[in-house]
Amino acid sequence: DAKTTQPPSMDCAEGRAANLPCNHSTISGNEYVYWYRQIHSQGPQYIIHGLKNNETNEMASLIITEDRKSSTLILPHATLRDTAVYYCIVSLLAGGTSYGKLTFGQGTILTVHP
Amino acid sequence: ETGVTQTPRHLVMGMTNKKSLKCEQHLGHNAMYWYKQSAKKPLELMFVYSLEERVENNSVPSRFSPECPNSSHLFLHLHTLQPEDSALYLCASSQDRGGTYTDTQYFGPGTRLTVL
Repeated sequence: DAKTTQPPSMDCAEGRAANLPCNHSTISGNEYVYWYRQIHSQGPQYIIHGLKNNETNEMASLIITEDRKSSTLILPHATLRDTAVYYCIVSLLAGGTSYGKLTFGQGTILTVHP
Repeated sequence: ETGVTQTPRHLVMGMTNKKSLKCEQHLGHNAMYWYKQSAKKPLELMFVYSLEERVENNSVPSRFSPECPNSSHLFLHLHTLQPEDSALYLCASSQDRGGTYTDTQYFGPGTRLTVL
């Protein structure tokens, strides 16, 4: 699986948009970009995933660059409850393997402050 | 609530004890996973079961023994653990569609294990 690079930490004011970047310059054509988050000592929570088109759901939007070498997760109106570690993962999940394989890195610690 | 439950949520055990962690998924999935998360380290995949068969064992010591009696239940049997095995143990499930497509993984809340 391709590796990802994320900033170790970011801050965001409550009510503002949080934009979390991720670099995945070695991504291959059949690898998806997944985002999960983990609130302290809980299980990771799935947020969104995409292949090459931008995606939006009730939690967030995912913007993938045309060359697919980077992406941005957007939380449109961050709240204090969005404070968590956010993981960007590139995986053959949903398209290439007979079972899922997620390789978690260190992620980005997002702190939303009042 | 993700549809994946784990019990117990917290467990303290001595090095000579035998205990089991339980995971149950209510999502109709057919693939289940065990992950380990040690303090300040990324999640590490331990075992994968697909269609009730173990398809991956990531060089996990034999003191950890998984069991998948059916597609909804997954156990992790623990015996003669070491203090360094203290960690958050996470279960996940997904839908294996038969070699060409595997759906998103959904995680349980985890079991916080402390080995004394």
